[in-house]
Amino acid sequence: IAGITQAPTSQILAAGRRMTLRCTQDMRHNAMYWYRQDLGLGLRLIHYSNTAGTTGKGEVPDGYSVSRANTDDFPLTLASAVPSQTSVYFCASSDVQHNSPLHFGNGTRLTVT
Amino acid sequence: GQNIDQPTEMTATEGAIVQINCTYQTSGFNGLFWYQQHAGEAPTFLSYNVLDGLEEKGRFSSFLSRSKGYSYLLLKELQMKDSASYLCAVLDSNYQLIWGAGTKLIIKP
Repeated sequence: IAGITQAPTSQILAAGRRMTLRCTQDMRHNAMYWYRQDLGLGLRLIHYSNTAGTTGKGEVPDGYSVSRANTDDFPLTLASAVPSQTSVYFCASSDVQHNSPLHFGNGTRLTVT
Repeated sequence: GQNIDQPTEMTATEGAIVQINCTYQTSGFNGLFWYQQHAGEAPTFLSYNVLDGLEEKGRFSSFLSRSKGYSYLLLKELQMKDSASYLCAVLDSNYQLIWGAGTKLIIKP
């Protein structure tokens, strides 16, 4: 089934630990995004990639890093997790056109203790 | 600053009609999206408006007035499965998506 797969579905992580959230899409979309969603706030963009080999910073990039080695994969790494990074993380992709809708993965619920 | 305003929560009755409003103040405008998000699930695309007027898609319609910085999502013949959050997002002049916090719609029998 075409779409975006995120892993893990949920994770409890001790503060200070390193964690990589995985995201894979099979729609051959050029653009990919990482968002976090917190109660009472809109989705906030962490990092994005317009095409394989390039990445950019979003609204809230601090404490996170990404890579885009190929079209399909866009992992998000927390180098040293802090409790404020407790959130639901969504990976998304879209066609290159700016008005193309986003296709979202099912999310990763991360709790940093 | 850039801002998207939506009501936090709305309640409606099964079979009725509900209108969810979204007002925006952004640096430029390149279109407005509506997404539906059921609890614990991913957002899914509903509609995109870039020109003024009403776009109808089955039971759902979306309206845009660029001069007023205003949009609404109209849901007709409400069903229990329409209970969800509805997210408004605006594409600004830099083609960055600015998201509202979402409106939680509760449908009662």
